[in-house]
Amino acid sequence: NAGVTQTPKFQVLKTGQSMTLQCAQDMNHNSMYWYRQDPGMGLRLIYYSASEGTTDKGEVPNGYNVSRLNKREFSLRLESAAPSQTSVYFCASSKTSGRVSYEQYFGPGTRLTVT
Amino acid sequence: AQSVTQLGSHVSVSEGALVLLRCNYSSSVPPYLFWYVQYPNQGLQLLLKYTSAATLVKGINGFEAEFKKSETSFHLTKPSAHMSDAAEYFCAVADFGNEKLTFGTGTRLTIIP
Repeated sequence: NAGVTQTPKFQVLKTGQSMTLQCAQDMNHNSMYWYRQDPGMGLRLIYYSASEGTTDKGEVPNGYNVSRLNKREFSLRLESAAPSQTSVYFCASSKTSGRVSYEQYFGPGTRLTVT
Repeated sequence: AQSVTQLGSHVSVSEGALVLLRCNYSSSVPPYLFWYVQYPNQGLQLLLKYTSAATLVKGINGFEAEFKKSETSFHLTKPSAHMSDAAEYFCAVADFGNEKLTFGTGTRLTIIP
């Protein structure tokens, strides 16, 4: 099992460029998440998907879009990158069962710099 | 709304000393609570979780945490620190029935040889 994989590991963009961060999980989880991590701010939820075909905004969705391509894959798109989006991005997944909150499994992260 | 407060953004302890990382939560319903560890340039790894069973939870690498409802706390401890424990630690909370986690701002643990 690879768990949660993310590509790319590093990326440098110029302001205004677009890119898509890819995430895939092989644990048959229903729920998937995108977070950003900034110094002193912990992890903040950008978007999540409770199941294939559904997505919902998290705490900091502005400037981002997501696609739940299938059960395995959940991508994050920056349409017009801004320096404020310089961050480390983590994808995570978890199983869901009724009203139980299960632990989330994290990918290794993508370090994005916008100049 | 649920929230998590981690007291102390940086904690230093000597090798062999007790590790105590503090986490207080606010939640309107009985919560699920988690501790994660992040080593440099890596993703987060689950250390332990509380899901309303035993109040004292044992995790990996010798860590444990105690759920205290009266204090709304879920502090992380380890009796004897090792150099390999140097990392950043995050506390997280989820309300019952809510699959989204709310994370604290993290505590960076430094081990002094």
